[in-house]
Amino acid sequence: GQNIDQPTEMTATEGAIVQINCTYQTSGFNGLFWYQQHAGEAPTFLSYNVLDGLEEKGRFSSFLSRSKGYSYLLLKELQMKDSASYLCAADPDSGAGSYQLTFGKGTKLSVIP
Amino acid sequence: DTGVSQDPRHKITKRGQNVTFRCDPISEHNRLYWYRQTLGQGPEFLTYFQNEAQLEKSRLLSDRFSAERPKGSFSTLEIQRTEQGDSAMYLCASSRGQGTEKLFFGSGTQLSVL
Repeated sequence: GQNIDQPTEMTATEGAIVQINCTYQTSGFNGLFWYQQHAGEAPTFLSYNVLDGLEEKGRFSSFLSRSKGYSYLLLKELQMKDSASYLCAADPDSGAGSYQLTFGKGTKLSVIP
Repeated sequence: DTGVSQDPRHKITKRGQNVTFRCDPISEHNRLYWYRQTLGQGPEFLTYFQNEAQLEKSRLLSDRFSAERPKGSFSTLEIQRTEQGDSAMYLCASSRGQGTEKLFFGSGTQLSVL
């Protein structure tokens, strides 16, 4: 089966750095996504990692270790607008399939002044 | 890119009634997905289309659920004989259709079954 774990909630201070961890166990693996979802809104794409290492994109970075089944999302210089749920999602299909994503339950990040 | 649009945004219905939702994907996107999300959970995959062909359905999709994408453009999701457990946000997403790629989500239809 597919299993994705991430912390339920986190709190961080405006201007600080926060790291949101995600571990996954999937039958196959074709990459890991991070999405941001503000309350009542659609998830929006943040990053995609398929190879080991760190991908940096502005204030957001994402890391992947395939051998450990582990990823993290790093948010720097936190802003109040970063308060949202962050969803970790894996593509478990390594073959010709549907490319459906398996999502974790999301980490609700609260940024405080 | 006008984004993925879903209609209606909210639907309140009585148990036992049928409901239908519509999704209009980004125009050049071949793949269309339906997901369901409940409070405090991540989206759960329901079904997927490649153009007009429905290629995969989750076991979450009971026989009361049916989805169509008749011309490979917009899609509809119908729930027959709704139950209170069907209350959720129904999200539609689309993608170009080139390997593993990011999904573009619509804002969803929030269904409340009374």
